[in-house]
This record gives sequence, C-alpha cells and structure tokens, in this order.
Amino acid sequence: AQSVTQPDIHITVSEGASLELRCNYSYGATPYLFWYVQSPGQGLQLLLKYFSGDTLVQGIKGFEAEFKRSQSSFNLRKPSVHWSDAAEYFCAVGGLIQGAQKLVFGQGTRLTINP
Amino acid sequence: ETGVTQTPRHLVMGMTNKKSLKCEQHLGHNAMYWYKQSAKKPLELMFVYNFKEQTENNSVPSRFSPECPNSSHLFLHLHTLQPEDSALYLCASSQEAGNYGYTFGSGTRLTVV
Repeated sequence: AQSVTQPDIHITVSEGASLELRCNYSYGATPYLFWYVQSPGQGLQLLLKYFSGDTLVQGIKGFEAEFKRSQSSFNLRKPSVHWSDAAEYFCAVGGLIQGAQKLVFGQGTRLTINP
Repeated sequence: ETGVTQTPRHLVMGMTNKKSLKCEQHLGHNAMYWYKQSAKKPLELMFVYNFKEQTENNSVPSRFSPECPNSSHLFLHLHTLQPEDSALYLCASSQEAGNYGYTFGSGTRLTVV
C-alpha cells in the first residue's frame, strides 16, 4: 500500500544550524512528492514539490529537497534555520491510489528551534 | 490569508448538537477537499468534490455529511458526533482533482464534549 513515513516525530536544532527532515515513501510508480509546513493554528503551506526532472528541488523560505529513487526518500534540508522555521512539517506523496488521484501525508515532524 | 477561508475557527459542540463547518475559496478552483487532522495521526482525507460532484468518500461515518453547492463553497454538516471526532478539520482546494497544487485553509478546531 502507498504510504509515507517520517521517522522523526520531533526534532530540535539550534538557530543557525543545518536541518534535515527525513521522508520515506512507498509507491509503485514514480511519485509526485511534496513538503508542506504548518505553523500553529494555521493550515498547510506548500514548501516545494517534485514531479520529474532534476532530483534536487528548491522551495520557498530557503528549503530544498532531494529525491533519491534508490532509497525511496525525499528529505528536506535547509543550511541554516531561523527561529521562524519552528513548525510542523509534512511530507506527502501524490498519485493514483486506490483508483483515484490522492495526496497521502506522513505523520509530520515537529521542529523546535533553540535560540 | 491563503485564499481558502474556513469558518468558524473554533467550535465546541455537544454530542447531540448539529453544526456546520464552512469553507470558501475564490481561487477559481474546481476541486475541494475535507481533511481531518488528529493528534499523532496523519492527515486523513475525508471527502473530495470535483466540479461539485463528490468523487471520494473515505469510509467516513454518516454523522459527517458534506455539501458542495458550487465550486466555491464546501460545507461539512455535523450531527451526533463523538468525542473522538474532536480534531482540526482542514479544507483545501485545487484546480481540479488530480492537480496537486492544493491550497489549504487555516482549519476549524472542533471539540466535541
């Protein structure tokens, strides 16, 4: 079955440090992959997406992600985090799932930033 | 403001009440979605409407009843809910179903007492 796994429920990093959030997916074909961010009390905002082509994709707010087919991964990175990056981050896979085009989300990773 | 507006932002209701959640978008999108976000669980897709027609119902209990009168408005009617239905209910829209350019609303925080 199609699924998305975010192994880290909660990550804490210091402001200015680098960040990598992990995402692994299970999907039979080439997936569409997404990262969303959710600030407290808000909906989800799209950070970046991968459909095809260059496996390193750039997003908003200085984030990037790399699609690695051999590892079924789509990890999110940022070279230097800011306090405003504290939020919940969701990885998602889109595709034909159970006969319909769907977006399936991981459980999310909550990011805390230490000053 | 994302372009998708959900009201109310917060709702507390008793198990015997009837209430409705509203979602509105003026992005020119033709697909609208209801998601349920519970603590420690992935977002659960509940319903999909594409050009006002319901195309997906993910085995949602009948105490949740969606309505899509036009492509800009989506409602979720609630009746005789259970405490485990307490969650953040998110609405999203996209150009059409299968187009993954989703725009999410800020959600309605529902508490069932």
